[in-house]
Amino acid sequence: DAKTTQPTSMDCAEGRAANLPCNHSTISGNEYVYWYRQIHSQGPQYIIHGLKNNETNEMASLIITEDRKSSTLILPHATLRDTAVYYCIVRVSMDSNYQLIWGAGTKLIIKP
Amino acid sequence: DTGVSQNPRHKITKRGQNVTFRCDPISEHNRLYWYRQTLGQGPEFLTYFQNEAQLEKSRLLSDRFSAERPKGSFSTLEIQRTEQGDSAMYLCASSLLAADTQYFGPGTRLTVL
Repeated sequence: DAKTTQPTSMDCAEGRAANLPCNHSTISGNEYVYWYRQIHSQGPQYIIHGLKNNETNEMASLIITEDRKSSTLILPHATLRDTAVYYCIVRVSMDSNYQLIWGAGTKLIIKP
Repeated sequence: DTGVSQNPRHKITKRGQNVTFRCDPISEHNRLYWYRQTLGQGPEFLTYFQNEAQLEKSRLLSDRFSAERPKGSFSTLEIQRTEQGDSAMYLCASSLLAADTQYFGPGTRLTVL
């Protein structure tokens, strides 16, 4: 079962910051939060990941609360091409493997 | 393009036929993963390889499914005696090491008539 909960859908105006929330209240201390997005009929695209500290890269910023029970993905200047399903995922350790446990994601629609 | 590639991109088959999909991971990536994704859902883990060794199989991987990675490079996923319930997107991902980020291919969309 997914360890994250996300809104089913969100809208954002083009050019504005898109803030996508995620709850992961049962996350364990060594489990990372990953974000991927999936544009219609394509494979998932990696965006960013983090453990405790806030992270930023050329695509987005990831803000993780101090208690690590929730996080927010920020797309600073959304464009129409950012319309996609965004998945917040907890990476769990299972035996010798790390598994990505996916939920249903948030469908983000960027409006002109 | 040095990303993960998958072929074919689309496959339509009749129930009862066998199908095979291919995945070429990012060069030098030791780990290769297969996922299945149905409409409106996130990907579900099927199996993964460390080099040529298949180390884990999900309970979703029935006996009709078999995956190989013979030389530790490309991988194939075969479905025998396809059923309509097998219709889905089959995704392949690779990572350099176990703890590294997984990068996904474009997927193969299977439709079983």
